[in-house]
Amino acid sequence: QVQLQESGPGLVKPSQTLSLTCTVSGGSISSGSYYWSWIRQPAGKGLEWIGRIHTGGSTHYNPSLQSRGTISVDTSKNQFSLRLSSVTAADTAMYYCVHGGSPSGSEFDFWGQGILVTVSS
Amino acid sequence: QSVLTQPPSASGTPGQRVTISCSGSSSNIGSNYVYWYQQLPGTAPKVVIYTDNQRPSGVPDRFSGSKSGTSASLAISGLRSEDEADYYCTSWDGSLGGWVFGGGTKLTVL
Repeated sequence: QVQLQESGPGLVKPSQTLSLTCTVSGGSISSGSYYWSWIRQPAGKGLEWIGRIHTGGSTHYNPSLQSRGTISVDTSKNQFSLRLSSVTAADTAMYYCVHGGSPSGSEFDFWGQGILVTVSS
Repeated sequence: QSVLTQPPSASGTPGQRVTISCSGSSSNIGSNYVYWYQQLPGTAPKVVIYTDNQRPSGVPDRFSGSKSGTSASLAISGLRSEDEADYYCTSWDGSLGGWVFGGGTKLTVL
């Protein structure tokens, strides 16, 4: 069974870049045909899909991010990462890394426990 | 403002049947699968229905999903206290090129 664990700074200053890493265990991040996503949730609010990367390397992002997001994979470390530039208080949220989510019919089946990121000076 | 529309709250007494709706459009629910997630307080969401109406192993058969046109529903029968949680619907949106979520429905078991 795949397990995911988020890591990164819990506090980021406004206008800086948020950087998070998701370490995958129980399976290779580069095998098969899978999607690896980032989803966030502001306190007391709903879920928002940030973007995803496919094992083949293609990426898709939520248009609402206005090109601020970048997702990449480090196969040597079995990790994938999120970078979100020019952050504001509106980016304060719990960030989850997630496995799965193919439009052709697979759910977000494995989730990390989440990491709380606060944007504040 | 979420792309998919859910009622903010729902409630029922133990043993009752509760239905949560999710309304979208032709670019999401109308042409792609719907998934439902349950989120207990302080935990990550967990899928309870996938591809419109399929139940993962381990999810009680009290949970069922349906879809018609651009709307979907999650039904929970024989309501139990442990069903009290937030429920989210999601679907791929072909026009936006990404996953969209409903705003979530807080289910209270009275």
